[in-house]
Amino acid sequence: DVKVTQSSRYLVKRTGEKVFLECVQDMDHENMFWYRQDPGLGLRLIYFSYDVKMKEKGDIPEGYSVSREKKERFSLILESASTNQTSMYLCASRANQPQHFGDGTRLSIL
Amino acid sequence: DQQVKQNSPSLSVQEGRISILNCDYTNSMFDYFLWYKKYPAEGPTFLISISSIKDKNEDGRFTVFLNKSAKHLSLHIVPSQPGDSAVYFCAASARGGGADGLTFGKGTHLIIQP
Repeated sequence: DVKVTQSSRYLVKRTGEKVFLECVQDMDHENMFWYRQDPGLGLRLIYFSYDVKMKEKGDIPEGYSVSREKKERFSLILESASTNQTSMYLCASRANQPQHFGDGTRLSIL
Repeated sequence: DQQVKQNSPSLSVQEGRISILNCDYTNSMFDYFLWYKKYPAEGPTFLISISSIKDKNEDGRFTVFLNKSAKHLSLHIVPSQPGDSAVYFCAASARGGGADGLTFGKGTHLIIQP
């Protein structure tokens, strides 16, 4: 079974802080993704990566950056956290379809 | 501009009956479609998918139908069970096996009544 692990289930940070969300997968997948889920909006793609050190913007990249230094790890970075980034963040990975998701990080920005 | 639409925010079905969840899309480039199920405080779990070269795919109690001319797909669950109560997301990809992410609908909350 594919295992996608997000380092924190719940996180509380303050406005202006730099925030790191970590994701690790154990299946040697080339492709990794970050989404956020908000009530009434579904899942929206923030960034994805198809190889080490490669990244592509998704639909809502503003205010975020990513890092992929190793194949198994994909980090989402909030450069200066704002209250509108309070959300559920979901990481996913895949080789071919389908994507496999982690359990999510519920991030609150105060 | 919403490219994947699930127009029913919620659906209530009696246990043992058929649940039908609907999804419409606007992007003609979508060629691969997936359904995910999500419980609160968990990540989405893949249920079933269909390629645009097919019009039906079946896996146990779950069947997905695709009508390309209408840009419409539906998920049928027969018979519905209490554990099926969850939020169901329809998702689409424009490049089947490509590296792009998925475009999701807003979800339908399915409630199975005993």
